[in-house]
Amino acid sequence: DAKTTQPPSMDCAEGRAANLPCNHSTISGNEYVYWYRQIHSQGPQYIIHGLKNNETNEMASLIITEDRKSSTLILPHATLRDTAVYYCIVRVGGDYKLSFGAGTTVTVRA
Amino acid sequence: DTAVSQTPKYLVTQMGNDKSIKCEQNLGHDTMYWYKQDSKKFLKIMFSYNNKELIINETVPNRFSPKSPDKAHLNLHINSLELGDSAVYFCASSQEGQGAVGYTFGSGTRLTVV
Repeated sequence: DAKTTQPPSMDCAEGRAANLPCNHSTISGNEYVYWYRQIHSQGPQYIIHGLKNNETNEMASLIITEDRKSSTLILPHATLRDTAVYYCIVRVGGDYKLSFGAGTTVTVRA
Repeated sequence: DTAVSQTPKYLVTQMGNDKSIKCEQNLGHDTMYWYKQDSKKFLKIMFSYNNKELIINETVPNRFSPKSPDKAHLNLHINSLELGDSAVYFCASSQEGQGAVGYTFGSGTRLTVV
């Protein structure tokens, strides 16, 4: 699986958009970008995934650069409940193994 | 109607004991996993079963033995517990063909070895 690089931490103001970057410069053509998050003391939760195109769902938006070497997860209106560790994972879609890195600890402040 | 349930939620035990953690999923998924999250917060995969067949077996001491009686259950038995086994253990499930989208995690079992 391609490696990913994320900032270790970031703060965000409640109600503002949170933009979480992820670098994956060695991504292969058949690897997807997935985002999960882990709220304190809970199991990881799927947020969104994409291959080439930008994606949006009820939780977030995913922007993938044209060369696919980086992506940004956007939480449009961050709330205190969005405080969590966010993981960017790159892997082949049919692979069973889901490997987590260190992630980005996002703290949303009132 | 919890999707992936683990029991117990907390487990405190002495070194040298043998303990089991149980996991059940009611999502109809065909693949189940055990992950370990240590004090440094890294989540590492330990085992995976697909339709009761072991498909992932990471470098884990053989004191850890998973058992899958059916595709809805995956239990983890740990023999001769050591202090370093203290961690949070997460069970997860997924459906073949859905990739990482279908991963659903349980709420974790916090194991403390004293």
